[in-house]
Formats: sequence, C-alpha cells, structure tokens
Amino acid sequence: GESVGLHLPTLSVQEGDNSIINCAYSNSASDYFIWYKQESGKGPQFIIDIRSNMDKRQGQRVTVLLNKTVKHLSLQIAATQPGDSAVYFCAENAGNNRKLIWGLGTSLAVNP
Amino acid sequence: DAMVIQNPRYQVTQFGKPVTLSCSQTLNHNVMYWYQQKSSQAPKLLFHYYDKDFNNEADTPDNFQSRRPNTSFCFLDIRSPGLGDAAMYLCATSRDPIREISYEQYFGPGTRLTVT
Repeated sequence: GESVGLHLPTLSVQEGDNSIINCAYSNSASDYFIWYKQESGKGPQFIIDIRSNMDKRQGQRVTVLLNKTVKHLSLQIAATQPGDSAVYFCAENAGNNRKLIWGLGTSLAVNP
Repeated sequence: DAMVIQNPRYQVTQFGKPVTLSCSQTLNHNVMYWYQQKSSQAPKLLFHYYDKDFNNEADTPDNFQSRRPNTSFCFLDIRSPGLGDAAMYLCATSRDPIREISYEQYFGPGTRLTVT
C-alpha cells in the first residue's frame, strides 16, 4: 500500500544479535518484492529481492521470507553490525508495469 | 565508478523561482525514475521514462515537469517551487523490468532541495 504518516517504526537491537524487519502488503496480485536499505543522507541501496514463486531467499547475512497466505514479508539480518543502522524499506510490484509500491519503512538502530 | 549521479547534491531556491535538478547515469538503463522523499517517509514516485516514453503519476502536481534528452540524462524541473516542495529528490534507473524480470532500481545520492 501507499506510505502514509510521519513516524517510522523503530527497531533497536544489540550488536551481534539477529534483526527481523517485517512488512505487510495488501495486494494479493503482487509477485515481486524487494528490500532496500537507506542510510541517512543517501539514496536507497538494494539488499535482496524475491519473486512470489519462492518463500525464502538468502544473501550474505540477509534472508528474505515471503508468506503469501498472510501477505507478509520479512528481512532477517544475522549478526547485526553498527553499519546496518539505517531505514529499511520493502517494495512490491503488482502488475505489468515498471513501478514499485513502497512500504512505510522501519528504522533499525544498532546499539554497540 | 559512480553509476547514477545527481547534481547538485544540495539546492536552495526561493519560493516561486524555477529550479532544475539533473540526473545522469552510466548504466545505459532504459528506465529512469524521479522520486520525492520527505523526512521519515518512503520515496514517492513522481514520474518515470521508459526510453523516451514519459509516464506521469496521477497525483504528481503540474508544477513538476521532466525532460530526458538522451539515454544518459534526465532533468526534473520545478516551475514554481512552494515551501511544501522542500524534500530530497531521488533519481533512479533500471533495466526494463518487464523484459528483464527484475525491478531492481539503482539510486543516485539525491538532491536535497530547500525552498526559502
């Protein structure tokens, strides 16, 4: 759905712990999902993506899980580091177009 | 090494004074996007080009225009900036996602626009 509101959800974790960032989507026709990381003052940076014919995909220290039944997406970051502190956005594509629909974003704070 | 370049990084303009933001890419991507991002919000798509084909979002104000003279460059023109147009403006590129089956967009660092 569309991003509304001015207050980002915040997740605070200890360095070395695993982080789980959640995202709900509303369009059951969405068939592509992507996670971006945005550090302060920078443009979003691609982390990982997944298509709807998969329920899990792994990258380096990151895993994306997709549950189509409940329309839920999560990003798991293993052994969270201070450099992981950023805002994380999920986005989706739901049709024969070239656009992404962005989620609200979650601010991740890593405590040393 | 930079792939999507935005100039300037910071732009200050006066209320009502036209301003142009620029974006260039070295990726030779077909698609270029302009987003507006306000504090603590997700990027909001203003419009995108697929090659020379311009696609405006329904809720993008007429005050915002764009030009893409060639594959590498894209410009965002704000004809009469208002205080509410102060934001970060992000340019992004992608291969044709419909053909390539990947919607990964490559972002520039953004231009932060201040309206006084």
